[in-house]
Amino acid sequence: DGGITQSPKYLFRKEGQNVTLSCEQNLNHDAMYWYRQDPGQGLRLIYYSQIVNDFQKGDIAEGYSVSREKKESFPLTVTSAQKNPTAFYLCASSPGPQETQYFGPGTRLLVL
Amino acid sequence: GQSLEQPSEVTAVEGAIVQINCTYQTSGFYGLSWYQQHDGGAPTFLSYNALDGLEETGRFSSFLSRSDSYGYLLLQELQMKDSASYFCAVRGTGFQKLVFGTGTRLLVSP
Repeated sequence: DGGITQSPKYLFRKEGQNVTLSCEQNLNHDAMYWYRQDPGQGLRLIYYSQIVNDFQKGDIAEGYSVSREKKESFPLTVTSAQKNPTAFYLCASSPGPQETQYFGPGTRLLVL
Repeated sequence: GQSLEQPSEVTAVEGAIVQINCTYQTSGFYGLSWYQQHDGGAPTFLSYNALDGLEETGRFSSFLSRSDSYGYLLLQELQMKDSASYFCAVRGTGFQKLVFGTGTRLLVSP
């Protein structure tokens, strides 16, 4: 089955800890994205990548970092600099930069 | 910048028709998309309008008027499973970034 997978489904972070959220796609899509969703809110773009080894900051990149070493993988690290990390994190991919985006099931991050 | 407005909540009964409106402001415009999201789930793509007019996909239709910076999603023959949040999103010219509205929560009752 082709699709986008995210893991874990739930993640708990302690104060001062960095955590990494996984996003993998086997759709052969070039572009990948990370969004953050807070309760009752829309999606806000954290980072995006148009192609392997390239990525750009979105609207709310502070406190986050990414890498794109492989076409199918786009992990997101939530660093200790992100003071309010509790949210639902969604990864998406699209065949090309201006094409329809398809979303993974999401990771819910909670702070202990 | 880009901004979108949608109603926060809409209620309807099974079998009815409901329209969810979206107005947008953007410095450039490349298209209007609609996504559905059930509670706790991921957004799923519903439709995309790049040109004026109506696009129909089964029970769902989407309309765009670029001159009015306005679009809507029309859901017909409502079913309980249609209860979800619906987001409109615009893509400006230049990059590929999608900007999402805050979503409309649709509640379908028996």
